[in-house]
Amino acid sequence: EAGVVQSPRYKIIEKKQPVAFWCNPISGHNTLYWYRQNLGQGPELLIRYENEEAVDDSQLPKDRFSAERLKGVDSTLKIQPAELGDSAVYLCASSFSGEQFFGPGTRLTVL
Amino acid sequence: DQQVKQNSPSLSVQEGRISILNCDYTNSMFDYFLWYKKYPAEGPTFLISISSIKDKNEDGRFTVFLNKSAKHLSLHIVPSQPGDSAVYFCAASPRNTGNQFYFGTGTSLTVIP
Repeated sequence: EAGVVQSPRYKIIEKKQPVAFWCNPISGHNTLYWYRQNLGQGPELLIRYENEEAVDDSQLPKDRFSAERLKGVDSTLKIQPAELGDSAVYLCASSFSGEQFFGPGTRLTVL
Repeated sequence: DQQVKQNSPSLSVQEGRISILNCDYTNSMFDYFLWYKKYPAEGPTFLISISSIKDKNEDGRFTVFLNKSAKHLSLHIVPSQPGDSAVYFCAASPRNTGNQFYFGTGTSLTVIP
């Protein structure tokens, strides 16, 4: 069974440019998470979906970040415009119950 | 406000010896705890979990101990192997909130052959 798929794996952009990350969760997993992981830190939740509904987006910087999970499957996380401080690894995870399964992440570098 | 803390950023252990990774938490509502292992350029992978109704859970070389009164849990790896070298994250979930998880900052384990 395929795991959580994320693309791209790496992205380098200049500040003020837009960027988008895509995530395909494990089939049948109704809960989808987007995390941001800074160097030397643990993953920090940005947004959590239960099916297509965003049930926790309290840590999502809504002035520049947006996310969607159409049809309750794939999800896209967008940053517009990107800032230098957005450089991090963006992790997507999914779960059915209990533990989460993580994708490999997208490493974003903002120059 | 870091609700899950891993105070040791790194740990080195000789192959064959025991590795003990520690984690502390502050939220008494946490009732489900997990350990994840992360290799470079990969996402974290689930290792072992424990519910607050237990104080120990064992899976092969990995054992997690939970001390609720001290709000402390630990992961024991014995015997340690070079392939165990990775960053280990502790995570916790509060009761009645469904699938919400809080992560520690990680401990980088190096097992020396």
